[in-house]
Amino acid sequence: GAVVSQHPSWVICKSGTSVKIECRSLDFQATTMFWYRQFPKQSLMLMATSNEGSKATYEQGVEKDKFLINHASLTLSTLTVTSAHPEDSSFYICSARQEAQYFGPGTRLLVL
Amino acid sequence: GENVEQHPSTLSVQEGDSAVIKCTYSDSASNYFPWYKQELGKGPQLIIDIRSNVGEKKDQRIAVTLNKTAKHFSLHITETQPEDSAVYFCAAVRGSSNTGKLIFGQGTTLQVKP
Repeated sequence: GAVVSQHPSWVICKSGTSVKIECRSLDFQATTMFWYRQFPKQSLMLMATSNEGSKATYEQGVEKDKFLINHASLTLSTLTVTSAHPEDSSFYICSARQEAQYFGPGTRLLVL
Repeated sequence: GENVEQHPSTLSVQEGDSAVIKCTYSDSASNYFPWYKQELGKGPQLIIDIRSNVGEKKDQRIAVTLNKTAKHFSLHITETQPEDSAVYFCAAVRGSSNTGKLIFGQGTTLQVKP
């Protein structure tokens, strides 16, 4: 149990376009999901906490207009990187909480 | 706020040997401590966790110990195998695991040599 999926697993886009990443809890309902960003050989950096039916809570320094989060159901949260730039290239990982936090497989974003 | 320090940053052991990774935390109110294993290009996988009312927990070759007084906790892997090679992260949560945010350590790259 406690399986979390992400889609897509990787995406390449042109600078200026927007990219949507989906995070789904497959076998449980999650009122809270989290979005992280990870740079090579570094730890996970929490970007925001996604709460079902309410606005996301962003960590200090994370632009909420840049990284749009929607948690429309108990099994789905989406992260949209708007007007992506090369510096947004990274590994984005979501997690869903069911007592413990369970992570998705990650999405690698490359902005050209 | 909470700060988690993890050591060592890299660890190399021979297959069959034991590996120990240590973490310290700063917030005495933290009471939930999970450990994650992350393989290259994948998301972190929860391997074991411990709550502050327990001093030790074991699951086959993996064990975690917690010293609340000293504010440190450790991951012990016995009889290491090449497939144990990965990056391991410790984390601490203030409040219950149902409400708090994970604060991660810096990670330890474990290499198990055949």
